[in-house]
Amino acid sequence: QSALTQPASVSGSPGQSITISCTGTSSDVGSYNLVSWYQQHPGKAPKLMIYEVSKRPSGVSNRFSGSKSGNTASLTISGLQAEDEADYYCCSYAGSSTPYVFGTGTKVTVL
Amino acid sequence: QVQLVESGGGLVKPGGSLRLSCAASGFTFSDYYMSWIRQAPGKGLEWVSYISSSGSTIYYADSVKGRFTISRDNAKNSLYLQMNSLRAEDTAVYYCARVGGSMVANYFDYWGQGTLVTVSS
Repeated sequence: QSALTQPASVSGSPGQSITISCTGTSSDVGSYNLVSWYQQHPGKAPKLMIYEVSKRPSGVSNRFSGSKSGNTASLTISGLQAEDEADYYCCSYAGSSTPYVFGTGTKVTVL
Repeated sequence: QVQLVESGGGLVKPGGSLRLSCAASGFTFSDYYMSWIRQAPGKGLEWVSYISSSGSTIYYADSVKGRFTISRDNAKNSLYLQMNSLRAEDTAVYYCARVGGSMVANYFDYWGQGTLVTVSS
């Protein structure tokens, strides 16, 4: 199972919106509405931001939203803030034998 | 509150073994699937293994199959990863994570702080 493809970096100014893509295949992203997104600040553990494509865990800002079309999932951060500067990873369920595949990761920079 | 605390990491020579532990608290451990996920220095996340709530279902990434063994002790609220025949490419921070999802266990909703495993001679 190959890693899902994400852009290496995305940047935006405070207050802007940015979108991070996550491209998989018909065996993972395209087959299941089971994509999750994680935020990771340097030296810290990842934090769940979005699950099952578009659901937000309690406590996560509504500035974070998720969507999916075909084999590509997306994470949008609106009203970009300095604290959003971090690495972001997508993850898709991929079936019972190799159930989880992560994305390559995207570094978000707030200009 | 949910807490996951890993331990057991360290420096080990190639070919050696190490056993990681993860102590869980703040939730009913026996109700949840659990997983190990690793991150090599400066690299992305890689799923390693998961175990069902009862321990009856276990899966591994191809990269560790046959060398790593996941297990759990629900009476002790603990998750384990026995790592044998370690290679330099196993060097990573290893995270313990709770797996969430109602119909399918499909996301990692709580993570430990990680424990560093370094494989080097």
